[in-house]
Amino acid sequence: EDQVTQSPEALRLQEGESSSLNCSYTVSGLRGLFWYRQDPGKGPEFLFTLYSAGEEKEKERLKATLTKKESFLHITAPKPEDSATYLCAVQVKGAQKLVFGQGTRLTINP
Amino acid sequence: GAGVSQSPSNKVTEKGKDVELRCDPISGHTALYWYRQSLGQGLEFLIYFQGNSAPDKSGLPSDRFSAERTGGSVSTLTIQRTQQEDSAVYLCASEGHNEQFFGPGTRLTVL
Repeated sequence: EDQVTQSPEALRLQEGESSSLNCSYTVSGLRGLFWYRQDPGKGPEFLFTLYSAGEEKEKERLKATLTKKESFLHITAPKPEDSATYLCAVQVKGAQKLVFGQGTRLTINP
Repeated sequence: GAGVSQSPSNKVTEKGKDVELRCDPISGHTALYWYRQSLGQGLEFLIYFQGNSAPDKSGLPSDRFSAERTGGSVSTLTIQRTQQEDSAVYLCASEGHNEQFFGPGTRLTVL
């Protein structure tokens, strides 16, 4: 069964304190791994897609990396506006649907 | 508008009633998805439409759930004889360039 596990469930950081969020996955064949940001009361907002091990993508203070078993979302010098739930999802070869993890709730204190 | 829209934003209903949730995808996107997000749980796939192909209904939790997509654009998710466990946020997404763009969701509360 295809599974996605995110850790930690929740993370509190001080403004400027860098850290990483983890997404571990078990799939029959990976077509793509997706990162989304979700603010309370809103739908997920697309951040990145990664397709192969070794791939990295960056956007402002965020950088996503991918290995054959997991992905990391690194956040550098975060600001309070980076507070949100970050969702990881995989798309399996031969299928279109996304399989989501439970998310990491990130809080950045000023 | 430029994004995916959903209506209503909130729906409160009584157990046993039927509800219809609507999704307007991004213009030109041929793929449309419905997901459900329950409290404390991740997003759960429900159904997928792609052009004129038969939909992938493999995620629908019971035969009380159905969805249709008219004219390759607007989609309606119908839940018949609602139960309390149907309470959740129902999210619609449309896909372009292998990226799924989500709407704001409909929060369904079954009393």
